[in-house]
Amino acid sequence: GQQLNQSPQSMFIQEGEDVSMNCTSSSIFNTWLWYKQDPGEGPVLLIALYKAGELTSNGRLTAQFGITRKDSFLNISASIPSDVGIYFCAGTSGTYKYIFGTGTRLKVLA
Amino acid sequence: DSGVTQTPKHLITATGQRVTLRCSPRSGDLSVYWYQQSLDQGLQFLIQYYNGEERAKGNILERFSAQQFPDLHSELNLSSLELGDSALYFCASSVATGSKNIQYFGAGTRLSVL
Repeated sequence: GQQLNQSPQSMFIQEGEDVSMNCTSSSIFNTWLWYKQDPGEGPVLLIALYKAGELTSNGRLTAQFGITRKDSFLNISASIPSDVGIYFCAGTSGTYKYIFGTGTRLKVLA
Repeated sequence: DSGVTQTPKHLITATGQRVTLRCSPRSGDLSVYWYQQSLDQGLQFLIQYYNGEERAKGNILERFSAQQFPDLHSELNLSSLELGDSALYFCASSVATGSKNIQYFGAGTRLSVL
């Protein structure tokens, strides 16, 4: 099925470092979502973006809706061990149907 | 806790069998979505129901079917199971439908077909 291109696929970082990941699409989207999934759990919504250029924060997390409307970015500042997990982006062009990215697996080294 | 309840949490069965996965949406949510997540993969949209009616279909096999009942809970039926059907199956719910209706996910049902 159709998926977004999410990068990096995985990353190991030291505790305290900042993290950046992004998601790109071949289609224009009007909503972007970022989810985090812990092992054995369902995805949990982190941030929702509705407007091109929008920058939204949730604690140490900041996400941006790309100006082209074909990409989105998620930054995590000062990472901590509990940031470990899989981060998914999801986008839609205005219908019910969200397309999910392939995920970025984050591992934090204490 | 997202408020979306899925049962069972784990299911182990044999090839050729049929299983039913159940989902109770968040209170007040009318839309239910089903997704399949294979090992180390993203989420594949299967099907959506809104207030009891099928709204959209994604990459759902003909061996799979779903329904949403008057009390808004939903069931996903998987039949003639194959080894490749082993995956996590997630249910999500939202208040309504459309791009601004955020989907909240349940904890999933892990299906193992042996």
